[in-house]
Amino acid sequence: NAGVMQNPRHLVRRRGQEARLRCSPMKGHSHVYWYRQLPEEGLKFMVYLQKENIIDESGMPKERFSAEFPKEGPSILRIQQVVRGDSAAYFCASSLSGGITDTQYFGPGTRLTVL
Amino acid sequence: QKEVEQNSGPLSVPEGAIASLNCTYSDRGSQSFFWYRQYSGKSPELIMSIYSNGDKEDGRFTAQLNKASQYVSLLIRDSQPSDSATYLCAVMGTSYDKVIFGPGTSLSVIP
Repeated sequence: NAGVMQNPRHLVRRRGQEARLRCSPMKGHSHVYWYRQLPEEGLKFMVYLQKENIIDESGMPKERFSAEFPKEGPSILRIQQVVRGDSAAYFCASSLSGGITDTQYFGPGTRLTVL
Repeated sequence: QKEVEQNSGPLSVPEGAIASLNCTYSDRGSQSFFWYRQYSGKSPELIMSIYSNGDKEDGRFTAQLNKASQYVSLLIRDSQPSDSATYLCAVMGTSYDKVIFGPGTSLSVIP
């Protein structure tokens, strides 16, 4: 499978629980981006990571949200104490080098529903 | 001013017609421009990327970039019902790390 993988595809949580979203980039890609898409809205940048480093987290809410991309394993987007407003589709994208001509390829997304 | 703006939809065109999608951006130093297509409930799929002024053609799709006007467009010739989707304009700014997406334009191609 050469594409970006995300799991789970659908996640249901109750208010106050934690949500963990995982993203495995395309083979050979070391740059990962997380986006959030609220219903009927566009994609909003959240965070850009390289292996073991957060490069730009300017789109991340200040509280409850965190992201990591460890040396081994997938990138994780973690949402603590979820609220109903966190319900959205969360997309991960990966790129090869992060340069200006680099293309981001998207995973299938995780649809988070908070009850 | 929003960073990336697109013409408001929904846009409806008859099958076989040309669909024209427009996008403007605010960061004059932006270097890279992308058009993604997103079907309902699916992830964005890259259609075109363009980096220099002028036109870039790929099959039925033509992207046009005018950096002086901070304007990028996508033309779809011989539109097909399968082109019905939301089209997202995306711009990579001067920091080279963050891609900003526009709100999208919904296109409906009527058979």
